Amino acid sequence: EAEVAQSPRYKITEKSQAVAFWCDPISGHATLYWYRQILGQGPELLVQFQDESVVDDSQLPKDRFSAERLKGVDSTLKIQPAELGDSAMYLCASRHSGNYEQYFGPGTRLTVT
Amino acid sequence: AQSVSQHNHHVILSEAASLELGCNYSYGGTVNLFWYVQYPGQHLQLLLKYFSGDPLVKGIKGFEAEFIKSKFSFNLRKPSVQWSDTAEYFCAVTGANNLFFGTGTRLTVIP
Repeated sequence: EAEVAQSPRYKITEKSQAVAFWCDPISGHATLYWYRQILGQGPELLVQFQDESVVDDSQLPKDRFSAERLKGVDSTLKIQPAELGDSAMYLCASRHSGNYEQYFGPGTRLTVT
Repeated sequence: AQSVSQHNHHVILSEAASLELGCNYSYGGTVNLFWYVQYPGQHLQLLLKYFSGDPLVKGIKGFEAEFIKSKFSFNLRKPSVQWSDTAEYFCAVTGANNLFFGTGTRLTVIP
């Protein structure tokens, strides 16, 4: 069964450093999402792509976060500089057009020290 | 704006007990409703979904949920839980294309 791939699974970084996460959605899924899940809370949308275009980045802290999906397939989420409050699980999900169901990857757990 | 409330933060049950987890949503338009589960160390998985039709939907592993439009609710139920149901359960709603999640309910099943 096809799955959403994410790497790395775990990342520890010092504050003020740059960090990047990678996501490879299920083949054929045009819509890709990045979520942040703080411990004890539900996932919150950071950015949504439709193919290579950003559809919604209203909740993305653009002063430090950036996301790209240059060829409309895999995607990278970057944080620069990282802050202590960025410690969380970063989830990627993808969806096939015409289907509301989102498929989630295993996530990247970020710890900022 | 959409929002989802899960009132039970942590539920502890013995095996074979019945389960009901509450979920209330706020959204003025047509909604699609989901329950996701996150087992320890695993990624979010879809348990069940409601788009339209029969308000009682059945999902995997014996779970079911009932959509009550007048109460803006989509409660998750299972008649007899197992130890393997220990997990975090998230209710979610989508209006346009985005998913809005509740804060989750941690279920601990004691053998």
